[in-house]
Amino acid sequence: KAGVTQTPRYLIKTRGQQVTLSCSPISGHRSVSWYQQTPGQGLQFLFEYFSETQRNKGNFPGRFSGRQFSNSRSEMNVSTLELGDSALYLCASSLSPGLVASGELFFGEGSRLTVL
Amino acid sequence: AQKITQTQPGMFVQEKEAVTLDCTYDTSDPSYGLFWYKQPSSGEMIFLIYQGSYDQQNATEGRYSLNFQKARKSANLVISASQLGDSAMYFCAMREVNFGNEKLTFGTGTRLTIIP
Repeated sequence: KAGVTQTPRYLIKTRGQQVTLSCSPISGHRSVSWYQQTPGQGLQFLFEYFSETQRNKGNFPGRFSGRQFSNSRSEMNVSTLELGDSALYLCASSLSPGLVASGELFFGEGSRLTVL
Repeated sequence: AQKITQTQPGMFVQEKEAVTLDCTYDTSDPSYGLFWYKQPSSGEMIFLIYQGSYDQQNATEGRYSLNFQKARKSANLVISASQLGDSAMYFCAMREVNFGNEKLTFGTGTRLTIIP
């Protein structure tokens, strides 16, 4: 079956702009979580959605937001981009909420954002 | 304080040899889970193995095994008979539960290079 699909794979923005990233989970998966990966900070949890509701949230400013649609697809938005937002943004999906019940968390290949 | 510590930024191993990637963790939660993920250059995080804190036996998945030493708070990944395709970044992660919210906390990773 198809894996987690993230679009776009690469994008370049300038400071002050906003960006929207999309994630389509594995068919049947209803939980979607987002991570930011940077060389300096490593992998950091952003938020998790289940049934169109945000369940968990990491320690990121309000410029980072997300949503989930009825078909479980999720988007994350970053407004007023800063240079430090340059990162690989990874989306992961799982069957059930509670991110890590058994390790059945499947990641996409990520969206690499560069902010100039 | 680091919750997950991976002390080996990089390792070079001869093909077909076994390799051990170190991971130590810090938690006061009696119930936790430990994970290893592989991240090839494509960016996707691939789940390798999971160990629950109450599991009596070390987890194994094919060529991967987890050397779980609870008293030392250590969860090293052992890859037997390494292959060229094992070259990648490897991340150790721990399930954390804060105020009912779960998230994965990742270590800084180890870049493994298999030499032919």
